[in-house]
Amino acid sequence: GAVVSQHPSWVICKSGTSVKIECRSLDFQATTMFWYRQFPKQSLMLMATSNEGSKATYEQGVEKDKFLINHASLTLSTLTVTSAHPEDSSFYICSASTGSQPQHFGDGTRLSIL
Amino acid sequence: QQQVKQSPQSLIVQKGGISIINCAYENTAFDYFPWYQQFPGKGPALLIAIRPDVSEKKEGRFTISFNKSAKQFSLHIMDSQPGDSATYFCAARGSNSGYALNFGKGTSLLVTP
Repeated sequence: GAVVSQHPSWVICKSGTSVKIECRSLDFQATTMFWYRQFPKQSLMLMATSNEGSKATYEQGVEKDKFLINHASLTLSTLTVTSAHPEDSSFYICSASTGSQPQHFGDGTRLSIL
Repeated sequence: QQQVKQSPQSLIVQKGGISIINCAYENTAFDYFPWYQQFPGKGPALLIAIRPDVSEKKEGRFTISFNKSAKQFSLHIMDSQPGDSATYFCAARGSNSGYALNFGKGTSLLVTP
């Protein structure tokens, strides 16, 4: 089946630093990648949708200047959390798809800001 | 606003029993209804999905029942096993919303030996 790789799986960093998370589709070309945030024992909240070569579309309430998304190729999207603070600590998950095909998810990145 | 409502929040089933999770939606533009299984510390994995032109879909021990008129769909796990213990999410999406998924709140399933 389709494989989506996310890296790193876990990152701990100091408050005020920026963190980049990579999402790669390993065996298919993803025209669309989605970024989600998940708090413990809660559902996935869509943060933004990115189409290859276009600017990401952010959901209401998500700061686009804080969560920078780049989707420069059909196999790679990155999420950069800028000037991270403890309240940004969460589980970030990406998914990838092509057109109307099902979304396939990465294994998530556990972000802890000290 | 939660576009997909899921119940129950948690479920305990004995090994060999049937696990049933229900979801309801309001948006009639939704045309694709997947179920995802998530283990702790992992991303969701697609389990099974259905489109509204079909009332039931079965894959192994997993069956989706779909009621278009009631705008409801459910997941049935037959012969539930301890390895099925996970969180299950229903979702829905429409082609007019960029294929973004709207997730239910999830059901934590525990299958006891």
